[in-house]
Amino acid sequence: EDQVTQSPEALRLQEGESSSLNCSYTVSGLRGLFWYRQDPGKGPEFLFTLYSAGEEKEKERLKATLTKKESFLHITAPKPEDSATYLCAVPMDSNYQLIWGAGTKLIIKP
Amino acid sequence: DGGITQSPKYLFRKEGQNVTLSCEQNLNHDAMYWYRQDPGQGLRLIYYSQIVNDFQKGDIAEGYSVSREKKESFPLTVTSAQKNPTAFYLCASSIEVRNSNQPQHFGDGTRLSIL
Repeated sequence: EDQVTQSPEALRLQEGESSSLNCSYTVSGLRGLFWYRQDPGKGPEFLFTLYSAGEEKEKERLKATLTKKESFLHITAPKPEDSATYLCAVPMDSNYQLIWGAGTKLIIKP
Repeated sequence: DGGITQSPKYLFRKEGQNVTLSCEQNLNHDAMYWYRQDPGQGLRLIYYSQIVNDFQKGDIAEGYSVSREKKESFPLTVTSAQKNPTAFYLCASSIEVRNSNQPQHFGDGTRLSIL
C-alpha cells in the first residue's frame, strides 16, 4: 500500500538549534517528492520538489535531501518565523494523485 | 498577482443543509482539486478535475459534489449526506494532473463547522 509517514509529529527547538524532519514513503516508483510549509489557518505553500535519490535543494535555512526510501528537511540555525507545519507528499503509483503525510509541527522558541 | 481564492473563510452548516464552498483560480491551470484536512491526518482528496466539464471522485467523495463549468472555478458542495463535515477544506490547482513534475498550489482554505 502506498504510504507516507512523517516524523516527529512535533519538534520544539531553540532559536539557532539545527535539526531535521523526516518523510518516509513506500511507493515503488517515485515520480517526485514535494515539501510544503503550512502556517495556521492557511493553505500549504510549496517549498521543493525532489526527483531522484541524491538530489538536494536549498532555500534560505532549509535544505531538502532525498534517498530511495525517505527525504529529510534540514533546518539550519532556525528562527521563530520558521515555525510552521511542514508537509510532504508523493504521487501514487496508480493514478498520479498525491499521498500526504500528516506533517511535522515545528516550533522555534526565541 | 496570480493565485487561488477560496471563500468564505469560515462557514457554518445547519442540520440538513447543503453548503457550497467557492474556489477560483487565475493561474490558467487545467487541473483543480478539493482536499479535506483533519487534525493529525494527511490531506485527503475529495474530488479533482482535469479539464472543464470533467471531474473524478477522490478517496472520500461520499456526501460531496462538484462542478467545473469554467476553467477558473471549481465549487464544492457539502451535502446533508456528509455526516461529519467539520474540517478545513483546501482547494488546489496544477498545470495538469498527469505531470508529476509540477506542484499543486493552494488557496487559504475554508473552515466548515456544524451549528
